[in-house]
Amino acid sequence: KQEVTQIPAALSVPEGENLVLNCSFTDSAIYNLQWFRQDPGKGLTSLLLIQSSQREQTSGRLNASLDKSSGRSTLYIAASQPGDSATYLCAGFKAAGNKLTFGGGTRVLVKP
Amino acid sequence: GAVVSQHPSRVICKSGTSVKIECRSLDFQATTMFWYRQFPKQSLMLMATSNEGSKATYEQGVEKDKFLINHASLTLSTLTVTSAHPEDSSFYICSASLRSGGTETQYFGPGTRLLVL
Repeated sequence: KQEVTQIPAALSVPEGENLVLNCSFTDSAIYNLQWFRQDPGKGLTSLLLIQSSQREQTSGRLNASLDKSSGRSTLYIAASQPGDSATYLCAGFKAAGNKLTFGGGTRVLVKP
Repeated sequence: GAVVSQHPSRVICKSGTSVKIECRSLDFQATTMFWYRQFPKQSLMLMATSNEGSKATYEQGVEKDKFLINHASLTLSTLTVTSAHPEDSSFYICSASLRSGGTETQYFGPGTRLLVL
């Protein structure tokens, strides 16, 4: 059973276009949602953490929203650049065991 | 702050040998560390939760005798892949948990790529 799902699995856009990445979770015990970036062969870089009391977080061109009632989070990247090409992972945090459950990721390619 | 390191970053070994991977929290103490495995083009799968001074808690399907975890101090956890086989080749990532202001945040290491020949 996939607790955290990311759609689409891959996305290719021309430079300058806005990116919309979706994350959905079925476990109501998930209360914090975190977005990460992973470059090929590298570790994870945390982008945004949305706590249960928050509905969204913003950092520069990045904006992430969280709707716990529908079990969805969306990461928006405005005015995409080739340097935004990477895999983006969302992860839900559950208090029990302090565990993060990852989605399958969305591989993004921004074409110049 | 909140930097996590892993060593080695890459290791190639022969089938049947054991490999030890270190995970260190450089500027904070972590009572809990986590070990993940990532196969190519797949997401991270939690292998085990490592608590300082106690036995690790393994996820379902992860062999505890194959993947030995030791968390001897608040800044160091080690994962030993015993009698490694080609199917153990993967990217292993650790994270260290830091609690601040009532929020628990995991900080990730850069990963260790293991190739078993």
